[in-house]
Amino acid sequence: DAKTTQPTSMDCAEGRAANLPCNHSTISGNEYVYWYRQIHSQGPQYIIHGLKNNETNEMASLIITEDRKSSTLILPHATLRDTAVYYCIVRPQGGSEKLVFGKGMKLTVNP
Amino acid sequence: GAGVSQSPSNKVTEKGKDVELRCDPISGHTALYWYRQSLGQGLEFLIYFQGNSAPDKSGLPSDRFSAERTGGSVSTLTIQRTQQEDSAVYLCASSLVLGQGAETQYFGPGTRLLVL
Repeated sequence: DAKTTQPTSMDCAEGRAANLPCNHSTISGNEYVYWYRQIHSQGPQYIIHGLKNNETNEMASLIITEDRKSSTLILPHATLRDTAVYYCIVRPQGGSEKLVFGKGMKLTVNP
Repeated sequence: GAGVSQSPSNKVTEKGKDVELRCDPISGHTALYWYRQSLGQGLEFLIYFQGNSAPDKSGLPSDRFSAERTGGSVSTLTIQRTQQEDSAVYLCASSLVLGQGAETQYFGPGTRLLVL
């Protein structure tokens, strides 16, 4: 079973920041938070991951709370192409653990 | 650089026929994963390869499903005697295996299988 909970859906205006929340209250100390997204009819696309510290890359920023029980993925300037299902996943450090996908959250970016 | 590739992109077959789906991982990635996504469903894990070995086959739904990997690279997922419920998108992912730290999985575009 997925160890994360996300809202079912969210809307965002084009050009605005999209803040996607995720709860992972049972996360263990050695588990990373991963974000993927799936644009219609495509394979999942890796976005970002983090353990404790906030992370930023060319796609997004990941803010993890101090207690690590929740996180927020931030798309700073959402575009129509960011419309997708976003998955928040927790995964143990090291090894090659399978990804356990939940239902994800549908983000719709509106013009 | 080249990502994970899968072939065919689409496959339509008749119930009872066998099908083979192919995955070419990112060069140098020793870990390879198969997942499937049925219509309106989430992604479910099927099998994991480390090199040519499959230490985790726990997601294969029945003995009609098998997979192999040769040369630590290309993998083939075979479904024998296909059933209509096998219709789904079959996704392959690959990752590096490092001594420490999580290894990010990168996905291919998938093979859309339709069993008539």
